[in-house]
Amino acid sequence: KAGVTQTPRYLIKTRGQQVTLSCSPISGHRSVSWYQQTPGQGLQFLFEYFSETQRNKGNFPGRFSGRQFSNSRSEMNVSTLELGDSALYLCASSSLDRGRDGYTFGSGTRLTVV
Amino acid sequence: DAKTTQPTSMDCAEGRAANLPCNHSTISGNEYVYWYRQIHSQGPQYIIHGLKNNETNEMASLIITEDRKSSTLILPHATLRDTAVYYCIVRVGSGGGADGLTFGKGTHLIIQP
Repeated sequence: KAGVTQTPRYLIKTRGQQVTLSCSPISGHRSVSWYQQTPGQGLQFLFEYFSETQRNKGNFPGRFSGRQFSNSRSEMNVSTLELGDSALYLCASSSLDRGRDGYTFGSGTRLTVV
Repeated sequence: DAKTTQPTSMDCAEGRAANLPCNHSTISGNEYVYWYRQIHSQGPQYIIHGLKNNETNEMASLIITEDRKSSTLILPHATLRDTAVYYCIVRVGSGGGADGLTFGKGTHLIIQP
């Protein structure tokens, strides 16, 4: 079966712009989570959705937001981009709430802010 | 979620069993032990999880001590493709688990030819 699909794979944006990243979970998975990975901070949790409801949110500023659609696809948005937002953004999906059966991660979107 | 402690790095010869330890002395009764790995430039990959019984799947075995304060992930016949950073994560499995997965620094496992 198809894995978790993230688009685009690479993105270059300018400071102050906004960006929207997309994630299509594995078919049938209703839980979607987002993570940011940087060399300095490692993997950090952004937020988690289950059946269109945000379950948890990590310690990130309000510039980071997300949503989940009725077909479980998810988007995350970062407004007013800063240089420090350059990172690999990873999406993960699970069939059970809160990933009790383990998450499947996508390959990520590498965002570079210049 | 309970905190975990893992060695920073380990080496293992190709074809041998790789045993990766994890300490989680403050684990609660309803917390599971999860293992993920991340191969360079890829997203993390789920390996296995368990509560208190030993678990085995096609990728690995998970041995949890009787007091549940530590566990060992075993890759029975390591190959070069198993070179990765391995993360041990302790998390409430049912009905809880705030703040997503907490990835520490993990163990960088290097398989030597």
